Amino acid sequence: RKEVEQDPGPFNVPEGATVAFNCTYSNSASQSFFWYRQDCRKEPKLLMSVYSSGNEDGRFTAQLNRASQYISLLIRDSKLSDSATYLCVVIPMDSSYKLIFGSGTRLLVRP
Amino acid sequence: NAGVTQTPKFQVLKTGQSMTLQCAQDMNHNSMYWYRQDPGMGLRLIYYSASEGTTDKGEVPNGYNVSRLNKREFSLRLESAAPSQTSVYFCASSVQLPGQGAGETQYFGPGTRLLVL
Repeated sequence: RKEVEQDPGPFNVPEGATVAFNCTYSNSASQSFFWYRQDCRKEPKLLMSVYSSGNEDGRFTAQLNRASQYISLLIRDSKLSDSATYLCVVIPMDSSYKLIFGSGTRLLVRP
Repeated sequence: NAGVTQTPKFQVLKTGQSMTLQCAQDMNHNSMYWYRQDPGMGLRLIYYSASEGTTDKGEVPNGYNVSRLNKREFSLRLESAAPSQTSVYFCASSVQLPGQGAGETQYFGPGTRLLVL
């Protein structure tokens, strides 16, 4: 079983739609969680951290469910520019230097 | 500031050839990392350097060596390239202050696309 699992998609949604991705992790002792965004043939960039209490940044909301060991990303009012691959990232308890990446969920927002 | 830079952007090698991927950052970060990204696999850590003068193996270190030349530069060397090393290689850096998580401050370079024939 992979340490971090994501549905590869693609999720194909119209502009203005609300879309949500989940990511499951296997190590219950994981300490930190993040969502990164990666555009086609570009480097990953940090989108947002995921806190236990949930956090929101504009149209983006991230949630953590430790009991069920998953994190989620909700995008409201999708824009064409949201089309990208979204990478779930987990930092294990035993090392704050190592990031464990999911293989990503691809989002396509159509006009 | 240029952030994290990588050279070359593209490279084609024959099996058995060697090469060094260069990475530099101008953000005065303490920690640097090398990842490879393959389709369906996500990014996997090859080696990292928590601070100048130290290097440690990541998840997939076999076939690679690294050098933390100074605080700015972290190179990745393939001594004898194999087709299985065909991948996109990303370098990253982070401030990594004591007690601070790596993900929040990790910045990636633009990547090197490597094809081994």
